[in-house]
Formats: sequence, C-alpha cells, structure tokens
Amino acid sequence: DSGVTQTPKHLITATGQRVTLRCSPRSGDLSVYWYQQSLDQGLQFLIQYYNGEERAKGNILERFSAQQFPDLHSELNLSSLELGDSALYFCASSARPDTSNYGYTFGSGTRLTVV
Amino acid sequence: AQRVTQPEKLLSVFKGAPVELKCNYSYSGSPELFWYVQYSRQRLQLLLRHISRESIKGFTADLNKGETSFHLKKPFAQEEDSAMYYCALGVPGSGNTPLVFGKGTRLSVIA
Repeated sequence: DSGVTQTPKHLITATGQRVTLRCSPRSGDLSVYWYQQSLDQGLQFLIQYYNGEERAKGNILERFSAQQFPDLHSELNLSSLELGDSALYFCASSARPDTSNYGYTFGSGTRLTVV
Repeated sequence: AQRVTQPEKLLSVFKGAPVELKCNYSYSGSPELFWYVQYSRQRLQLLLRHISRESIKGFTADLNKGETSFHLKKPFAQEEDSAMYYCALGVPGSGNTPLVFGKGTRLSVIA
C-alpha cells in the first residue's frame, strides 16, 4: 500500500451534478497534489496544497475547487459536470513542497464517469 | 516553462529484446528527473530517480544534459514490463512548481 488513500474508487454521475473526491496523504506528508489523467491529455496538474495553503495552480477549471484541511486530507470538488470531465483523478503527496529528489507518492485514483 | 516530451505513444518490442523509452526535457537549469510506471491504469509508481543512479527491475536511465534527455533503458524486455511509462521533471528547491509529466509511452512486450 502506497499510503495515499483516495475515495471513492469509482464514481458515476450525470452531467450538471457536483461531486467531491477525497484524498488522505501518506503519513507525515504535508504536500498534496491533484492530477487529472485522460486518454489523450496524459497527466495534467490541477492544484497543489502544502500544510493547508494553496501553493500552485495548474490547468484547473473554475468549476473545480479544492482545499486541504487541518488534518491534511484534501478534497477536490467538481461542479456543473460535463462529459469531458470524465477521467481518472489522482492525488499525490510528498513530505515537502519541493520535489527534493524523492518525487511523489500517488494514490490509486478516482475514476469519474459523467453520463 | 518546463516541458517533458516523450515522442513515442506506443512502443512494441519482443520479449528479450532491448528497450529504450525516450524522454527529452526543456529546462534551463539542472532538473530533477523521474520515471514512473503505471500498470493497467492503476496508481503511478516511482521507478527511477536520476539522482540515485540506481537500477530497478533491470531498468536504468542516464541524464544527458547536453542532449537534455533522460532515456529509460533495459537490455532484455520481459512481458511483465508491459505498462505505461511516464517521464517527469521537477525544479530543485521550488516549493510551488509541481512535477511536470510527459504524455507517456505505452510499452507492449510481445511474447
């Protein structure tokens, strides 16, 4: 087990709906990253948090938002869902906000299907 | 901006043949480079870090700063190597520059 826990594993929802994806980082890690993986776009960085504060923002749509809570778990909220939002959403964590030559530990992802 | 290019979307090789997965990067400084492997759309697993110069599962990768490349190599491919491979670049010391990933190369090892 990698130590990064993502729930739920699968999510099927209708267009226009809102969903929340949850991530618990590996014990001791303070940084959380969200990535979207789609077949044609590969891994796209969405947003980074470190110890509760937003550190970096990538190609995250305005319909999407995230936060990191005091217990360090993070939630990614996706609203007004469209068919094109169907993808695998990965959470990753690291001990520090810089990559420090150790890279990230990834969770097993949430597969979102919008119908 | 940093960029990682993996020119091959798909690479098919026969079992026992050598493998080279290409990765080129664009970054003006000294990057941190990684290879991740993903089996059957599961979680990404760290395979190699350039800083450690290690060999994992028979794979090696050498950073060539002159050619800005970090190709992944294995002398003899095994069927269990079939997976998606991602090259990633990090900016040392930056607290707000996440890893940038290439689009990945799917390796298919044919028996």
